[in-house]
Amino acid sequence: KQEVTQIPAALSVPEGENLVLNCSFTDSAIYNLQWFRQDPGKGLTSLLLIQSSQREQTSGRLNASLDKSSGRSTLYIAASQPGDSATYLCAVSRDGDKLIFGTGTRLQVFP
Amino acid sequence: KAGVTQTPRYLIKTRGQQVTLSCSPISGHRSVSWYQQTPGQGLQFLFEYFSETQRNKGNFPGRFSGRQFSNSRSEMNVSTLELGDSALYLCASSWGQGTLNTEAFFGQGTRLTVV
Repeated sequence: KQEVTQIPAALSVPEGENLVLNCSFTDSAIYNLQWFRQDPGKGLTSLLLIQSSQREQTSGRLNASLDKSSGRSTLYIAASQPGDSATYLCAVSRDGDKLIFGTGTRLQVFP
Repeated sequence: KAGVTQTPRYLIKTRGQQVTLSCSPISGHRSVSWYQQTPGQGLQFLFEYFSETQRNKGNFPGRFSGRQFSNSRSEMNVSTLELGDSALYLCASSWGQGTLNTEAFFGQGTRLTVV
């Protein structure tokens, strides 16, 4: 049974810092991994999708890497801003379009 | 380009009642998935529909059901509501190209409160 873990559970940093969020999964036979952000009481916003054949993806200040063999992904946020404050979720897929989510990292960036 | 639309946004129901939630996917997307989000259990997969067929189902009781129409719009129904069904219900849409997963886009969710 696939299990997805995210560390740390919560993070509070001053504006401008570079951040690394971690995601671990137990079964390396995945099709892809997706990172999302969720603002309180809202839906999920897709940030990055990494296909199983890829090693990383970049979008603006965000960079996500994938190491299937070790069951890990990291989301790197450069020069963090207060607007980055949200919960960040990773999710893996293997069976059709079913996503298995991690527990999330709650990020607070203060001015 | 319109995103994923879920209606209604908020619902308050009484124990024992039933409820129907609706999801309109992004135009052209054929796969619709439903998830339940609670503080204690996080995000859990309910079911997925592709071209009007249920392709995958999570570990939820039979009180939770769904369907998909020919225009890819989907509904989920919960019968005999229990207090524990209070949650944020999220719908996701994607192209759904066979067994190859593609990027999932989520709606804003329906907040269901059972009293």
